[in-house]
Amino acid sequence: NAGVTQTPKFRVLKTGQSMTLLCAQDMNHEYMYWYRQDPGMGLRLIHYSVGEGTTAKGEVPDGYNVSRLKKQNFLLGLESAAPSQTSVYFCASSYSIAREYEQYFGPGTRLTVT
Amino acid sequence: LAKTTQPISMDSYEGQEVNITCSHNNIATNDYITWYQQFPSQGPRFIIQGYKTKVTNEVASLFIPADRKSSTLSLPRVSLSDTAVYYCLVAPISSGSARQLTFGSGTQLTVLP
Repeated sequence: NAGVTQTPKFRVLKTGQSMTLLCAQDMNHEYMYWYRQDPGMGLRLIHYSVGEGTTAKGEVPDGYNVSRLKKQNFLLGLESAAPSQTSVYFCASSYSIAREYEQYFGPGTRLTVT
Repeated sequence: LAKTTQPISMDSYEGQEVNITCSHNNIATNDYITWYQQFPSQGPRFIIQGYKTKVTNEVASLFIPADRKSSTLSLPRVSLSDTAVYYCLVAPISSGSARQLTFGSGTQLTVLP
């Protein structure tokens, strides 16, 4: 099993450009999450999904959109990138209720917006 | 949500036992305590979870006193590879709300040779 994979690993965007980050998991997990981590800080939840076709807002959803068309994939979109979105983005997945706090994380995507 | 407080950093030497304490004074009855580990340039990794008394797995032990207002993560005989940030999280299980999983700043553990 590959676990949780993220594409791309690194990306540099100019202000106003758009991009999509792809997360894939092969563990048949129900729940998937997108976090961002800024230097010296913990992770903050952007959006999450409790199943195929469902999404919900987390702590810091503004400026991001997500889609979960397939159970194994969770996409994070930036429609118009801003320098404040420079961060490391982590995707995670977990089993459903009762084990949702045992999350499996991907390796991260380092995004720089200039 | 229960707020957690943990030391910003700790140093230890190889082979020693390390105990990292987390304070969560306003923990609720249905809250569980979870610990994660994060190495540089990697995503966090689940270590252990517990509700009360003691939980042990192949990686660590978690001690929770009767009042549950604190918890201690114990790492036996640490090595240089245990240098990482350790996060203490408190949240209700089976809430159906992933929004309640909050990572604080964590404790930077540095293991010295």
